[in-house]
Amino acid sequence: KAGVTQTPRYLIKTRGQQVTLSCSPISGHRSVSWYQQTPGQGLQFLFEYFSETQRNKGNFPGRFSGRQFSNSRSEMNVSTLELGDSALYLCASRGQVYNEQFFGPGTRLTVL
Amino acid sequence: SQQGEEDPQALSIQEGENATMNCSYKTSINNLQWYRQNSGRGLVHLILIRSNEREKHSGRLRVTLDTSKKSSSLLITASRAADTASYFCAPEYGNKLVFGAGTILRVKS
Repeated sequence: KAGVTQTPRYLIKTRGQQVTLSCSPISGHRSVSWYQQTPGQGLQFLFEYFSETQRNKGNFPGRFSGRQFSNSRSEMNVSTLELGDSALYLCASRGQVYNEQFFGPGTRLTVL
Repeated sequence: SQQGEEDPQALSIQEGENATMNCSYKTSINNLQWYRQNSGRGLVHLILIRSNEREKHSGRLRVTLDTSKKSSSLLITASRAADTASYFCAPEYGNKLVFGAGTILRVKS
């Protein structure tokens, strides 16, 4: 079974731009969560989607948004990028039976 | 805060020794998951332990959970150089994992 995939793996953007990251969960998983990892703040929860609905949201500004499609793939968007948005963005998918969350390799975003 | 707090922050051991990492959390949880991360890469899932379980094993890994003390521990036996990584515990509240700063484990060969 293929794992969680994230694209792109690396991104370089400049302040003020926007960015879209993509996540494909493990086949059969309907829940997708997003996390941000920075050296200063560590791993922080952004949001979770289940069956195309946002089920949970962390404490991030409205510039961070996401969505989930009918095939469970998810995207997250960050608008008006700031230097502090430079981070590793991790996506996790969860199965319904055992509740384990499996993470993808991440997208490393650098904002210049 | 709800987050897991790992102890110690860093641990350096010789290959073949056992490594124990501890985690504490503040409020009641649904379950608790342990992860490994190598050099800023993605998180590798190690073990999930539910709130009604006390101990789980997976290969060289042993996880315990004490809900009365709100603590968990991860034991890696017969460590290898390849076990060098950061280890995180993540208590789960609802569908949200809350991570601590992690324990950096270095296994010297």
